[in-house]
Amino acid sequence: GIQVEQSPPDLILQEGANSTLRCNFSDSVNNLQWFHQNPWGQLINLFYIPSGTKQNGRLSATTVATERYSLLYISSSQTTDSGVYFCAVTDTGTASKLTFGTGTRLQVTL
Amino acid sequence: DADVTQTPRNRITKTGKRIMLECSQTKGHDRMYWYRQDPGLGLRLIYYSFDVKDINKGEISDGYSVSRQAQAKFSLSLESAIPNQTALYFCATSDRPGKSTDTQYFGPGTRLTVL
Repeated sequence: GIQVEQSPPDLILQEGANSTLRCNFSDSVNNLQWFHQNPWGQLINLFYIPSGTKQNGRLSATTVATERYSLLYISSSQTTDSGVYFCAVTDTGTASKLTFGTGTRLQVTL
Repeated sequence: DADVTQTPRNRITKTGKRIMLECSQTKGHDRMYWYRQDPGLGLRLIYYSFDVKDINKGEISDGYSVSRQAQAKFSLSLESAIPNQTALYFCATSDRPGKSTDTQYFGPGTRLTVL
């Protein structure tokens, strides 16, 4: 099946700093989503982005499907950004079944 | 009101007990999914259903069963719970490709502990 790798596994930032999270995938994808899992375990949809670039406030994401990677940018980080960020994909043969990466754990400190 | 709800939110049970986790959605989506998350890992797919009459096994279906009672309801059962089924369980829904994007929307999760 498709492999999804996220980097870095852990990241510590001071409030106000910017960061880039990366997701590499091993095959063509139909769907790519970024999620934020907050410290209470809730999964929050950030982006649906199988290709192209999207922005939502301080967050933006870019997927280069031909090169099989996606980037999530967090600007002016806040303590509420802390948690785990997951990338998940469906490949062209698995019809909506998401495969998750192991996540990037982000801690934003004051 | 939440679009995808799960009950219970937390459950502690003993080895050998039968447990049912329930999921309901008001998004009108055809497709529903059950995932499991173990500490420090991403989610893994247990079962999925593309409509009421369509049930499919996912990556880790052994020890689990499901029932799609209606378009809006999808339940997960552990017939005889064992400690290594202790995990956080998520239900998700998505629309049919072509109707809209196949973005998956997740419920709040059920934290299950098997002693």
